[in-house]
Order: sequence, then structure tokens, then C-alpha cells
Amino acid sequence: QVQLVESGGGVVQPGGSLRLSCAASGFTFSSYGVHWVRQAPGKGLEWVAFIRYDGSNKYYADSVKGRFTISRDNSKNTLYLQMDSLRGEDTAVYYCAKDLGGSYFDYWGQGTLVTVSS
Amino acid sequence: QSVLTQPPSVSGAPGQRVTISCTGSSSNIGAGYDVHWYQQLPGTAPKLLIFGNSNRPSGVPDRFSGSKSGTSASLAITGLQAEDEADYYCQSYDSSLSGWVFGGGTKLTVL
Repeated sequence: QVQLVESGGGVVQPGGSLRLSCAASGFTFSSYGVHWVRQAPGKGLEWVAFIRYDGSNKYYADSVKGRFTISRDNSKNTLYLQMDSLRGEDTAVYYCAKDLGGSYFDYWGQGTLVTVSS
Repeated sequence: QSVLTQPPSVSGAPGQRVTISCTGSSSNIGAGYDVHWYQQLPGTAPKLLIFGNSNRPSGVPDRFSGSKSGTSASLAITGLQAEDEADYYCQSYDSSLSGWVFGGGTKLTVL
């Protein structure tokens, strides 16, 4: 069965950095694009970033462009999100989600909480 | 302010039917991009409920149905059950933003 397991969340000061990981199993990771989606406490879902199956193209929400970097290691079945210059408004649960057809998210991880606070 | 607009809340008694609307624009739903729906039970990750406007993944009861027309879409839930109490989100793609977009979410309360 498809499993996505995020890790790397924690508390970081404003201006700091954090790297999230998402370990995938149960499907051919190298054949699918993957997204990061976040949810601030008590708020709705916000798409953050997408990377194609081979890492050839990456897309970002305007709110994180230039500060966050999505990457993947298909040999390790792992997705990453490097988050730099973190702000309070980046505080959220971050989910990785498998893409289908470049259109929707068919499987989600359980999420990892990132708190940006001094 | 979300790109796709949903009512903040809806409610219904057990056994009743409720609908949740999702209104977009000419750069997303109106441009022909599909609408998808997710259910998020309290304290859990979102789960795909409807894909491609009206298709149910395996395991989703047929009490859940979706439709799309023009710049809007709807999720209908018939035969409401207590376990349906959750947040529901619509999602599409926006060509102006070059990204995937969500509605603000609708909290369903089963009375």
C-alpha cells in the first residue's frame, strides 16, 4: 500500500532554515510527481511546491518562491523541502502528497509540524 | 482569501442530503480544469474523496457525488452519517497562478 512519511519538522527561529523529508513506499516513486501542501493551525490547505517524476521541473507557490527548494532522490525514494528565511506565517503542518496526472493528490502523508517562533 | 470559494460551514441531520459549493473563475474551473474534493477528518490528513469532477476512488461510498458546471462545482452527500462530520476542500489548477489551488474549506456538522 502507498505510504508517505514526513519528518524533519520542529521549532525554528524567524530567519532560520529547516529541511523536511518525505519517505515514500508502496509505489514506483520515480514514476510520479510529488507535492508539498501545508496547513496553518486552524486554517485551510495551501499548495506549496511540486516536482516532476524525474526532477526536471519544479513549481512553487508565490508565497514561498525564492525561499523554499523542492528536490527528490529517486534512489532513496525520498522527497525533500529545504526551507530558508523562515517566517512566522510559514508555521503549519506540512504534508507530502503523491500527484496523479498533474491534476490532483491521490495519497497524503500524515504531516510534520513546523513552528517558526522566537 | 482562497482562489476557490466555499461556504465556511454546512449542516444537516442524519439521513439528510447536503451540498457544498465551490466557485472559481475563468482561470481555473471555468478554463476546463478538473475539480477534486478531499475529506479531512479531525486531526488527520486529507483524503481524496472525488477526482475528475465526479469520480470516486475505490472505497468511497456512493453517498458522495460530485458535479461541475461552468465556473463552479458541487459536492453532494446523501444519507448523512455522524462519521461524515469533517472539513471538505475542493481543489483545481489555476493557469494564471501556474499552480494548484484549494477552496477555503467547508466544515460539515451532522446535527
